[in-house]
Amino acid sequence: QVQLQESGPGLVKPSDTLSLTCAVSGYSISSSNWWGWIRQPPGKGLEWIGYMHYSGSTYYNPSLQSRVTMSVDTSKNQFSLKLSSVTAVDTAVYFCARFSGWDNYWGQGTLVTVSS
Amino acid sequence: DIQMTQSPSSLSASVGDRVTITCRASQDITNSLNWYQQKPGKAPKLLIYDASNLETGVPSRFSGSGSGTDFTFTINSLQPEDIASYYCQHYFNLPYTFGQGTKLDI
Repeated sequence: QVQLQESGPGLVKPSDTLSLTCAVSGYSISSSNWWGWIRQPPGKGLEWIGYMHYSGSTYYNPSLQSRVTMSVDTSKNQFSLKLSSVTAVDTAVYFCARFSGWDNYWGQGTLVTVSS
Repeated sequence: DIQMTQSPSSLSASVGDRVTITCRASQDITNSLNWYQQKPGKAPKLLIYDASNLETGVPSRFSGSGSGTDFTFTINSLQPEDIASYYCQHYFNLPYTFGQGTKLDI
């Protein structure tokens, strides 16, 4: 059974870099699928941050592209998100997910609050 | 990128009502569309894939239709447990984008 679990600090200071990791179990991250990060600000809708393939191909949301970096660690079967220069508007629940056409699996999500 | 326009943004209905949500794609996506249900504090749950196929275990009161650019999601005989937000998402090509969501209240 495919499972994804996000981890990382729940509180990040303004102007710092938000770093999250998604650990994948029950499936090899090196298989041909797309791995993504999606976020949801409190009370708002879903916003895609980026998608990446284990080979390194990436798609970043143009509105975040200058601040986003996604990477994969096949040895640990996990992938990561870095979002730099965060502000309060980056406060959100961050989800990681696996996408294979219509088929997808999501992590439970982790709340990241940007505050001093 | 393909833009997904979902309406309405919110909807109030009564138990037993039929509820309809629409989603329009900015270009032809054939039938590459998912519908999700999301409850507070939870990850989205897939209800409908390929625009009209019911995910295993999802009650038959949920249905989807459409192809190309215009899609419809319907709940027949609304139940109290259906209170949630609903989202469409295309997977025609990357990046997969979402509709703005519909918050359903009773």
